[in-house]
Amino acid sequence: QKEVEQNSGPLSVPEGAIASLNCTYSDRGSQSFFWYRQYSGKSPELIMSIYSNGDKEDGRFTAQLNKASQYVSLLIRDSQPSDSATYLCALNDYKLSFGAGTTVTVRA
Amino acid sequence: EPEVTQTPSHQVTQMGQEVILRCVPISNHLYFYWYRQILGQKVEFLVSFYNNEISEKSEIFDDQFSVERPDGSNFTLKIRSTKLEDSAMYFCASTGQNTGELFFGEGSRLTVL
Repeated sequence: QKEVEQNSGPLSVPEGAIASLNCTYSDRGSQSFFWYRQYSGKSPELIMSIYSNGDKEDGRFTAQLNKASQYVSLLIRDSQPSDSATYLCALNDYKLSFGAGTTVTVRA
Repeated sequence: EPEVTQTPSHQVTQMGQEVILRCVPISNHLYFYWYRQILGQKVEFLVSFYNNEISEKSEIFDDQFSVERPDGSNFTLKIRSTKLEDSAMYFCASTGQNTGELFFGEGSRLTVL
């Protein structure tokens, strides 16, 4: 089982601030990475995928991948109360292996 | 928008009983998965299924568990003799390519008494 570690938080940010989430992984050969959001009692829903080194932006979300350092991060800009959820980092080695998640609370 | 559907949404059963959880994956997907999430814990891989056979299974997926695709649409997870520790949310997922994103169903909550 390939390991995915996340800073477990919880992370509390004021509305409008940037939330920064980090994830490290154990297998240098991993190629595909995903950020999912999970509201309490609900299923994971995809936010972004990233496959190449560098940044990938989608709306208020930016994913960053550094394969040399084996970390993936997610930035949430202009955080909204609706962003309050648990964020799951995952890598795909023909199945998704999830981290434990980081719980984010956005304070209004 | 196509989605993965799961039934039942919640099932309560007595320890030792058999349970079948059902999933209808997205119609043109080829790879199917079951995950579970015990309350407050991480999402854990159970099993993957492709071309009518198991591709990979985790240590959790012991002889008490089985999966089946009995027809062209359903994908089922059977727990033969439930234990208290099987109480969890079970998620079905599917994808069109095994290195891509997974699409999850809403989950089936299993409570074993």
